[in-house]
Amino acid sequence: GQNIDQPTEMTATEGAIVQINCTYQTSGFNGLFWYQQHAGEAPTFLSYNVLDGLEEKGRFSSFLSRSKGYSYLLLKELQMKDSASYLCAVMDSNYQLIWGAGTKLIIKP
Amino acid sequence: EAGVAQSPRYKIIEKRQSVAFWCNPISGHATLYWYQQILGQGPKLLIQFQNNGVVDDSQLPKDRFSAERLKGVDSTLKIQPAKLEDSAVYLCASSPGGDADTQYFGPGTRLTVL
Repeated sequence: GQNIDQPTEMTATEGAIVQINCTYQTSGFNGLFWYQQHAGEAPTFLSYNVLDGLEEKGRFSSFLSRSKGYSYLLLKELQMKDSASYLCAVMDSNYQLIWGAGTKLIIKP
Repeated sequence: EAGVAQSPRYKIIEKRQSVAFWCNPISGHATLYWYQQILGQGPKLLIQFQNNGVVDDSQLPKDRFSAERLKGVDSTLKIQPAKLEDSAVYLCASSPGGDADTQYFGPGTRLTVL
């Protein structure tokens, strides 16, 4: 079966750095997406990785290792507005997105 | 550029009633998706359209759910009759139409079935 695993909840302090991990087992691989979802709102696109390595976009970076079935989202200089759920999704061989349950990130002052 | 529009934003109905949701994708986007998201879970794909044709509806409970995209633009999702377990947020997303395109989501409709 297809499976995406990510921690249910994480807590971090304002101004700090946090890494949210995602491991996956899917039928084929056509890229990995990270989305941010604030409570009661729709998911918004953060990043897309299809090749191994690190993609940096401002305070957010995303890393992919296809051989390990592993990705992480790195958030630097945390702000209170970063409190949200972070969803990892993998595009399988049929170009369908397989979604994780999301990691709820709580930022404390 | 306008985003994905959905209505209504909230709906409360009693079980066995029917309900319909509407979605208008980003202009020019050929692919439209309907997802169901239960609290604390990731989105679950219900149906995917490419223009006005169905690409995937394998997880759509066809005994009670139906969806259409007649002119390849707007789409409606209907539930009839609703069950308690249908309480969820129904998200519509669209993408330009390429295989690995990013999906852009609307604000969702929060359905409560009593």
